[in-house]
Amino acid sequence: GQNIDQPTEMTATEGAIVQINCTYQTSGFNGLFWYQQHAGEAPTFLSYNVLDGLEEKGRFSSFLSRSKGYSYLLLKELQMKDSASYLCAVMDSNYQLIWGAGTKLIIKP
Amino acid sequence: DGGITQSPKYLFRKEGQNVTLSCEQNLNHDAMYWYRQDPGQGLRLIYYSQIVNDFQKGDIAEGYSVSREKKESFPLTVTSAQKNPTAFYLCASKTGDGDTGELFFGEGSRLTVL
Repeated sequence: GQNIDQPTEMTATEGAIVQINCTYQTSGFNGLFWYQQHAGEAPTFLSYNVLDGLEEKGRFSSFLSRSKGYSYLLLKELQMKDSASYLCAVMDSNYQLIWGAGTKLIIKP
Repeated sequence: DGGITQSPKYLFRKEGQNVTLSCEQNLNHDAMYWYRQDPGQGLRLIYYSQIVNDFQKGDIAEGYSVSREKKESFPLTVTSAQKNPTAFYLCASKTGDGDTGELFFGEGSRLTVL
């Protein structure tokens, strides 16, 4: 079956760096997405990786290793507003998105 | 501004009643989707539509129905046959189903069955 795994919850300190991991097993691969979702709100797009390596976008970076079925989202200079759930999703060979359960990130002052 | 509008944001329903959730987009997107989100689980696909007058079942279509009479609109009906309908429902769209573009989401509709 298809599976996306990510930690349920993480805690980090304001100003610090946190890495949220995502491992996947899917039928084919057409890219991996990261979304941010604040409580009770809609997910918003953060990044898309289809080739191996690191994509940097401001304070957020996303890494992909297709051979290992692994990605991470790196958040630097954490701010209180970064408290949210972070959703990992993989697009399979049929261009359907398979979603992880999300990682709830708690930022402490 | 372009975007996706879902309504209502909150909805309460008695058991045995059908309810319809509205989803309208002005992004000129061909593909539209309905997801269900429950605590501790990933988004699960209910129905999707690649083009007007056509739609396909997702992973959890039982107890739900949709229509796509206009490009802009993709309403979801939660029928009385849905055994556990209390959830957060998200509508989304993108340019085309067979591309790798990002999904744009509406703000969601929270349905509670009393």
